[in-house]
Amino acid sequence: TQLLEQSPQFLSIQEGENLTVYCNSSSVFSSLQWYRQEPGEGPVLLVTVVTGGEVKKLKRLTFQFGDARKDSSLHITAAQPGDTGLYLCVGEGGSYIPTFGRGTSLIVHP
Amino acid sequence: GAVVSQHPSRVICKSGTSVKIECRSLDFQATTMFWYRQFPKQSLMLMATSNEGSKATYEQGVEKDKFLINHASLTLSTLTVTSAHPEDSSFYICSASPTTGNSYNEQFFGPGTRLTVL
Repeated sequence: TQLLEQSPQFLSIQEGENLTVYCNSSSVFSSLQWYRQEPGEGPVLLVTVVTGGEVKKLKRLTFQFGDARKDSSLHITAAQPGDTGLYLCVGEGGSYIPTFGRGTSLIVHP
Repeated sequence: GAVVSQHPSRVICKSGTSVKIECRSLDFQATTMFWYRQFPKQSLMLMATSNEGSKATYEQGVEKDKFLINHASLTLSTLTVTSAHPEDSSFYICSASPTTGNSYNEQFFGPGTRLTVL
């Protein structure tokens, strides 16, 4: 069974601060997706990373896939209240059954 | 593109009744759809994998006779919560993986259904 450890589980910060969310596994993933979910809604896909060492940027969000494709990080620069939500990493290991991290609940205070 | 809808968005029912939730991929076909349950501020818990034209695959601990899944077409999967009880109250989310042009097995999620059993 593949496991994806996501940390931190909760994060409460002030507007303007930077933060990083980590997802780590002992398993290799063929791809990894990051989603953001707002209360009462379904998760929305932010990015997919597939190549070891890959870095993708989405405005103030920077996503990185580890060289060995076992870990990934999401870095948010100058967080804003609109970034508040639940961030999920989901790994694809080739079995078509996705592996979910436990989620990071982010609150950005104005 | 890649829009998934769920209906209803929220439902309140009495204990003992059955509730059907629909999940539709609006602009793509999906051989595989997934059903999840989510508790507040927690990640999604996979309940079952729904495969078009075949029986669903349930995760350990999920009662298949209680959570009936029907994936009758490439754009529709339904989850029926039978004889619902208050402990079944939760946020149910489906996702769909496009059958074609989806090399990375990306999933697209529905907006969720809030079930409250009185």
